[in-house]
Amino acid sequence: QKEVEQNSGPLSVPEGAIASLNCTYSDRVSQSFFWYRQYSGKSPELIMSIYSNGDKEDGRFTAQLNKASQYVSLLIRDSQPSDSATYLCAVRVMDSNYQLIWGAGTKLIIKP
Amino acid sequence: GAVVSQHPSRVICKSGTSVKIECRSLDFQATTMFWYRQFPKKSLMLMATSNEGSKATYEQGVEKDKFLINHASLTLSTLTVTSAHPEDSSFYICSARGLGQGETQYFGPGTRLLVL
Repeated sequence: QKEVEQNSGPLSVPEGAIASLNCTYSDRVSQSFFWYRQYSGKSPELIMSIYSNGDKEDGRFTAQLNKASQYVSLLIRDSQPSDSATYLCAVRVMDSNYQLIWGAGTKLIIKP
Repeated sequence: GAVVSQHPSRVICKSGTSVKIECRSLDFQATTMFWYRQFPKKSLMLMATSNEGSKATYEQGVEKDKFLINHASLTLSTLTVTSAHPEDSSFYICSARGLGQGETQYFGPGTRLLVL
């Protein structure tokens, strides 16, 4: 069974520090990876997508992908209290109707 | 771009009634729409996937006669919860992907259903 694993947390990070969120996946042929942020009581919103090995940066966010290790991470620099949310990792299921397999999410708390 | 709306945002209904939730892609054509439900403090659970003009594909354990999905146009999908019961109370969220959007799913704001 294809799985996406995340540490449920909560992960507590001081304001201004770097938050590091990790995700592992079981399907070796996966090619597309996504990070979503979900505030309590709200729906998920896309943070970043990544398709190639290496780093992808967008503002304070950096996604890192290592397909050999089946590992994808999200770094948040200069963490702000508004970054406090649950971060969901999602992996595209190959040969499916664009379905995503979702991790359970990591709850991030940024302490002022 | 890539805005998805849902209506209603919140609904309270009596047990045994049916509730329809609409999901619209506002600025792109949604070739594929997804319906999820989420219980408090739990992860997303995919209920079904629908392509425009085709029957929805339901995930294992999801009753297709209870959760009716229609995706009749490239901008609108509906989920009807028939004969709702209290255990159907949940947060229902749609997402859409489509032409020019690659593989990314964009989510609607969700509908909170409470069945009394």
